[in-house]
Amino acid sequence: DIQMTQSPSSLSASVGDRVTMTCRASQGIRNDLGWYQQKPGKAPKRLISAASSLQSGVPSRFSGSGSGTEFTLTISSLQPEDFATYYCLQHNSYPQTFGGGTKVEIK
Amino acid sequence: EVQLVESGGGLVKPGGSLRLSCEASGFTFSNAWMTWVRQAPGKGLEWVGRIKSKTAGETLDYATPVKGRFTISRDDSKNTLYLQMNSLITEDTAVYYCTTDIRYGLRYIDYWGQGTLVTVSS
Repeated sequence: DIQMTQSPSSLSASVGDRVTMTCRASQGIRNDLGWYQQKPGKAPKRLISAASSLQSGVPSRFSGSGSGTEFTLTISSLQPEDFATYYCLQHNSYPQTFGGGTKVEIK
Repeated sequence: EVQLVESGGGLVKPGGSLRLSCEASGFTFSNAWMTWVRQAPGKGLEWVGRIKSKTAGETLDYATPVKGRFTISRDDSKNTLYLQMNSLITEDTAVYYCTTDIRYGLRYIDYWGQGTLVTVSS
């Protein structure tokens, strides 16, 4: 199984900050990666597919990059509604696997 | 409106069985590849398994921790996805979500149910 390692596991930031988080795959997965946002008590929602393609309706302050084994999700200017946990998911091979998540908290 | 509604969760003893259902509406269920994802209390997301559409062969894939114990199936006549869980262990305690991607032109949008809680405890 492909292991997905997210870092950091949590971070504290202020509204307006630029935030970056990373997801590393244990083997190359091309760009077969999505980023998901989950708020407490809610189902996840995909923000980005194919490593860098913004889903419809997702604010442009979110961006994704990377290919192969290293991927990044960036929030250019953190907004109050962005405080949540973010997960990456590889779909290059089965079983698909999630990273452990990065929790973005208010500083 | 696309809706996914899970049901069937509850309390079950270790070694027991449970069947979850996910009733779908608002899209052509028979064309959809359906996935189960779970989340243990206070933990991260875990991909459980997926079933392709009949036209794609109804191929099944499972996560390593559930392979041989869980079975995914579908009834396209009832627009319903199932997850049969056998030989349950305490580590299977989680909220179970069904999810799918629906294609709109060149775009895919993901849809999720509200989840159903399974508690494995003696």
